[in-house]
Amino acid sequence: GENVEQHPSTLSVQEGDSAVIKCTYSDSASNYFPWYKQELGKRPQLIIDIRSNVGEKKDQRIAVTLNKTAKHFSLHITETQPEDSAVYFCAANLTGTASKLTFGTGTRLQVTL
Amino acid sequence: EPEVTQTPSHQVTQMGQEVILRCVPISNHLYFYWYRQILGQKVEFLVSFYNNEISEKSEIFDDQFSVERPDGSNFTLKIRSTKLEDSAMYFCASTQQGYEQYFGPGTRLTVT
Repeated sequence: GENVEQHPSTLSVQEGDSAVIKCTYSDSASNYFPWYKQELGKRPQLIIDIRSNVGEKKDQRIAVTLNKTAKHFSLHITETQPEDSAVYFCAANLTGTASKLTFGTGTRLQVTL
Repeated sequence: EPEVTQTPSHQVTQMGQEVILRCVPISNHLYFYWYRQILGQKVEFLVSFYNNEISEKSEIFDDQFSVERPDGSNFTLKIRSTKLEDSAMYFCASTQQGYEQYFGPGTRLTVT
């Protein structure tokens, strides 16, 4: 089955700096890659996603890039703010079958003042 | 904006007891899921449900687990005989077309 690796496990950046979180997946048939933000004790919240026919997608301060050849995708957050502090999870799935999401192990992002 | 809702927010039960976790997916969504998250760990898939039947289940979802959509709005997860290792946060999720999955707020299950 699908396996998703995520790095780093923790990331500390100063406010205003950029943060990059990287994921790799194992199943070359995966074609949908969402990113979730989870604040302490809260639900995972979908913040951005990318489909396999696109190499990059941007939404204000967040962007996601996908390299299908390398089976690698990344989350980029620019101009980080304290409210960006949370755990971020990448995930992958096979769409068309509405199949399960396979999650990475999470990255705890801390934005310091 | 419509959201997935779940009840209860916290359930404490004794080992061996049955629990039912309830979810109301977003109304026009067609695909429903249960995931669980042990404290401090990643989110793990349990089961997916479409057209009134299970589409896929993980190895965690053994004979002690069952799901049901008893009416047009509720989606339930039953654990027949809870074990200590079932203690986790259980999330329900739904999606309309199989892409964006939206999660509920979760039920924290504590088995003592």
